[in-house]
Amino acid sequence: EAQVTQNPRYLITVTGKKLTVTCSQNMNHEYMSWYRQDPGLGLRQIYYSMNVEVTDKGDVPEGYKVSRKEKRNFPLILESPSPNQTSLYFCASSLSGTGSEQYFGPGTRLTVT
Amino acid sequence: RKEVEQDPGPFNVPEGATVAFNCTYSNSASQSFFWYRQDCRKEPKLLMSVYSSGNEDGRFTAQLNRASQYISLLIRDSKLSDSATYLCVVNRGAGGGNKLTFGTGTQLKVEL
Repeated sequence: EAQVTQNPRYLITVTGKKLTVTCSQNMNHEYMSWYRQDPGLGLRQIYYSMNVEVTDKGDVPEGYKVSRKEKRNFPLILESPSPNQTSLYFCASSLSGTGSEQYFGPGTRLTVT
Repeated sequence: RKEVEQDPGPFNVPEGATVAFNCTYSNSASQSFFWYRQDCRKEPKLLMSVYSSGNEDGRFTAQLNRASQYISLLIRDSKLSDSATYLCVVNRGAGGGNKLTFGTGTQLKVEL
């Protein structure tokens, strides 16, 4: 089954404790991205990747890091989480960028206390 | 002005009604337009792309007006299962990088 998976689905952590949210897709998509969704603000792009070893900032990259060492994986790293990073995070992939359908993972609900 | 603006609703309609949502976008260089559906904080899923000539998929019709920079979605014969939040999504064109802008969504509630 074609899908995007994220782990963990739910995470409660404390300020400053480094964490990684994994994202994996099995559709051989080149384009992957991370979004956060907050009430009243919609989905906002954090980082995106056009292909292996090619990443770029989205609209709200501060406090986040990403890497794309393999085509299928695109982990999101929070080196020192803060409460304002409490949010619902979605990973997405698509065949060829923003002109094609985005396939979203199920989401990761992160709470930073 | 927001890049993509939608009426947040909620739109409460009876089953069988026809309902229309509009969305305006500010970047005239935008090239691609979509409607996504999101159920109750689950992941968004593509409902349909929006083409300049307008397009239809069953009970759903999407229209694009480039001159006025708005997109519409028409749902005919609403079903209870259509209850969801509908997201208007626009890409920013060549000058805006490889990025999408999402509207905050319009909530639809279809009632018996």
